[in-house]
Amino acid sequence: DTEVTQTPKHLVMGMTNKKSLKCEQHMGHRAMYWYKQKAKKPPELMFVYSYEKLSINESVPSRFSPECPNSSLLNLHLHALQPEDSALYLCASSKQRGDNEQFFGPGTRLTVL
Amino acid sequence: QKEVEQDPGPLSVPEGAIVSLNCTYSNSAFQYFMWYRQYSRKGPELLMYTYSSGNKEDGRFTAQVDKSSKYISLFIRDSQPSDSATYLCAMPLGDRDDKIIFGKGTRLHILP
Repeated sequence: DTEVTQTPKHLVMGMTNKKSLKCEQHMGHRAMYWYKQKAKKPPELMFVYSYEKLSINESVPSRFSPECPNSSLLNLHLHALQPEDSALYLCASSKQRGDNEQFFGPGTRLTVL
Repeated sequence: QKEVEQDPGPLSVPEGAIVSLNCTYSNSAFQYFMWYRQYSRKGPELLMYTYSSGNKEDGRFTAQVDKSSKYISLFIRDSQPSDSATYLCAMPLGDRDDKIIFGKGTRLHILP
C-alpha cells in the first residue's frame, strides 16, 4: 500500500459545528503532516507529528486540534471555524521527520458556512 | 524577495510540444529540489526529486538544477493532455526542518 487516504473528500460545516478530518497511511511512515491549501496557492504547513508526538505547530489557531492515535492515523478536529478556514486540507507522510520526500493524500475540501 | 519564485501561468501549449517549467530561488542553503504535479481538486503528487546540479531523467520528464544560477527547470517531452495540471517546485529548508518552501505553481494546459 503506497498511498495516503483521507476522509471525507468533501465537508460542509457551520461555524458552530464540530467535525473531524481523518488521514491514514500504511507505508510504515513515522512522520505525518497537515497542510492547508487555498485556491491557486501552494500548500501551507500546519502541523507535524513524529512518532505520534506533535513536533511542529505552525502557529495554527486552537480551533484546529490535531491528534495522532497511532502510527497510521492522523486526525484534525475542527471546532468553531470561520468562513476563511474554507480550503483544501492535505495530509502527507514521510518515512521520518526531516525526510524530504513527503507523500500527499487527495485532500478534504472543507467549506465553512 | 520571495524565497522561491515561479510564474503562475497559465501556460498553454499544443499536444506533443516540449514544455519548460522554471523556478528561481534565493536561499543558497537549499540542497534538495522537488517537482510536484497537482491535478485540479487533488493532492500534490511527487514527480521528481533531485539533489545535485545537472539533469535527472524519468520517462518524459527531465529535472534540471543549476545551483550557480539558483535556477531549476522541469522539461516535459511529447506533452499529453493528461499532463494538464499545476506544477509546483518545492525546496525543503533542510537540517531536520520539515518545512518545505513551495513555489506558487504553474498551471499548464496541453491543447489537444
